[in-house]
Amino acid sequence: SQQGEEDPQALSIQEGENATMNCSYKTSINNLQWYRQNSGRGLVHLILIRSNEREKHSGRLRVTLDTSKKSSSLLITASRAADTASYFCARRAGGFKTIFGAGTRLFVKA
Amino acid sequence: DADVTQTPRNRITKTGKRIMLECSQTKGHDRMYWYRQDPGLGLQLIYYSFDVKDINKGEISDGYSVSRQAQAKFSLSLESAIPNQTALYFCATSQTPGTGVLDTGELFFGEGSRLTVL
Repeated sequence: SQQGEEDPQALSIQEGENATMNCSYKTSINNLQWYRQNSGRGLVHLILIRSNEREKHSGRLRVTLDTSKKSSSLLITASRAADTASYFCARRAGGFKTIFGAGTRLFVKA
Repeated sequence: DADVTQTPRNRITKTGKRIMLECSQTKGHDRMYWYRQDPGLGLQLIYYSFDVKDINKGEISDGYSVSRQAQAKFSLSLESAIPNQTALYFCATSQTPGTGVLDTGELFFGEGSRLTVL
């Protein structure tokens, strides 16, 4: 499969805690993106990190990329109940395709 | 109004029936995609189109067909639906970047069409 591996598959934390999700992939990439999906809804783009970048921030989100290990992580700081959703990494490789991982289901308890 | 609109949002049908899922967008994007989502498997690309005259198969095109009626409209058809096509289907769009602009591949999704085949 071309899909990446996301870890963990599910994560349950208390409000205020940080949530870390990891994504690994097998082939080289041009960029890596993270998307969020609320239950039964469409995916929404959160943040993109290019292959020549190592870290990127957007509000409470921090994304890191280690191309030598072919892995990325998404950190959500000071989580809120509204952050409860599924989070997907998506790799942009050569050509046009954007390939999605299976996602991490995050549950933030109030 | 949503930028990417899918109809119907929910559909229950029987094995062997023909089903069409429609997608329209107001984002002015030239690229459109159909994805399928199954629990635990993420999203899989069914078909994609870079303009009205361009149609390409994705990872799992067997049993599906598409039509790009206009730049803003991209429909997905199941000619003879079967139970293992029960899934959540998403339409997405993206824009071909201008000259000298990197193609990020950022996708904009509709709200999904939940299809159940009995």
